Amino acid sequence: NAGVTQTPKFQVLKTGQSMTLQCAQDMNHEYMSWYRQDPGMGLRLIHYSVGAGITDQGEVPNGYNVSRSTTEDFPLRLLSAAPSQTSVYFCASSYLGQGQTQYFGPGTRLLVL
Amino acid sequence: GQQLNQSPQSMFIQEGEDVSMNCTSSSIFNTWLWYKQEPGEGPVLLIALYKAGELTSNGRLTAQFGITRKDSFLNISASIPSDVGIYFCAGPTNTGNQFYFGTGTSLTVIP
Repeated sequence: NAGVTQTPKFQVLKTGQSMTLQCAQDMNHEYMSWYRQDPGMGLRLIHYSVGAGITDQGEVPNGYNVSRSTTEDFPLRLLSAAPSQTSVYFCASSYLGQGQTQYFGPGTRLLVL
Repeated sequence: GQQLNQSPQSMFIQEGEDVSMNCTSSSIFNTWLWYKQEPGEGPVLLIALYKAGELTSNGRLTAQFGITRKDSFLNISASIPSDVGIYFCAGPTNTGNQFYFGTGTSLTVIP
């Protein structure tokens, strides 16, 4: 049971490049979410999903896209990276209605130059 | 969005001391959560509170759900070096599908 896995661990991008951050969970959780963590600001919700085929915006969705074609995977796409997207990104999952027991992945550290 | 303010922002304490930190919100929450994040890791849930006035313990950690439902407190007794990390409070929206996190309290324990 690997829990929540994220790849890559680190990434450097140039402004304007696109990339996909991968997130997978093997706990059959319906709920999955993406957060970004910036110094002094805690974690902020980007997008979330309550099941395959269903996604919704969180607090800071601009510049990011998500899709949920399977229960296990919830990739986050940066369409055209900007320096303001330099951050640490965390994926989390839980059973639906039990979001208080979200399991977080180890994070992806992204630097946009 | 919601703003959860935590204080203090950082703490440097001697091993064995007790620690207190709090989290306040401009809005009411029906659930309060406390997480710990260690360096290079994702947050891990420590305590969940579901009722105003509730006091819940997890080992040396004790958390309280404020009566006004706009605040919560976390205490750590007899701190040890492995308590080092950033402590976050969090609360869900009414639908339970979105969570707001506090700004965090960074704890350093000096042996």
